[in-house]
Amino acid sequence: TQLLEQSPQFLSIQEGENLTVYCNSSSVFSSLQWYRQEPGEGPVLLVTVVTGGEVKKLKRLTFQFGDARKDSSLHITAAQPGDTGLYLCAGTYDSWGKLQFGAGTQVVVTP
Amino acid sequence: GAVVSQHPSWVICKSGTSVKIECRSLDFQATTMFWYRQFPKQSLMLMATSNEGSKATYEQGVEKDKFLINHASLTLSTLTVTSAHPEDSSFYICSAKGPYEQYFGPGTRLTVT
Repeated sequence: TQLLEQSPQFLSIQEGENLTVYCNSSSVFSSLQWYRQEPGEGPVLLVTVVTGGEVKKLKRLTFQFGDARKDSSLHITAAQPGDTGLYLCAGTYDSWGKLQFGAGTQVVVTP
Repeated sequence: GAVVSQHPSWVICKSGTSVKIECRSLDFQATTMFWYRQFPKQSLMLMATSNEGSKATYEQGVEKDKFLINHASLTLSTLTVTSAHPEDSSFYICSAKGPYEQYFGPGTRLTVT
């Protein structure tokens, strides 16, 4: 199993502020996914990054994949209460498509 | 997008009984499905990989005789928790490998009393 370290574990910010979540590993992943999970539900895919150095934008969310494909970040601009949730990074590490999940970052955005 | 369903969404059972959880891919065929377990305030942990027509492969530390997996068709995988104990209480989530990504089910909350 390839370890994915996610930080911080918890983020509480006010509406309008920016935040960044980090996902780091000593191993190379063929691809890396970011999910958001609401309580009592399954995770929902936000984005998949595949190429080293890749940057993807999804409205106010910006995702970056490190050049060496060992780390990634999620940046949210002008956070809104609707961004509240558990953010999970997950790396694909074998031909079956198995995912190794990070520990998750609980984000709380207060009005 | 592709849809994966799980049934039941929640279940309460007595210690020592067995519980079966179903995972279905509703609009695509999935030769590979995955089963995860998630404890409160923790991340998802992969339990096993389920392949249609063959035996499941289990992650280290997961008891294959306790968590029976059957992938009987290209749209259905089942997880049976045998002789359940309170420590098996958890949120069980399946995913199905689709053409572009893994699609996750909504999860099943198991409570063993």
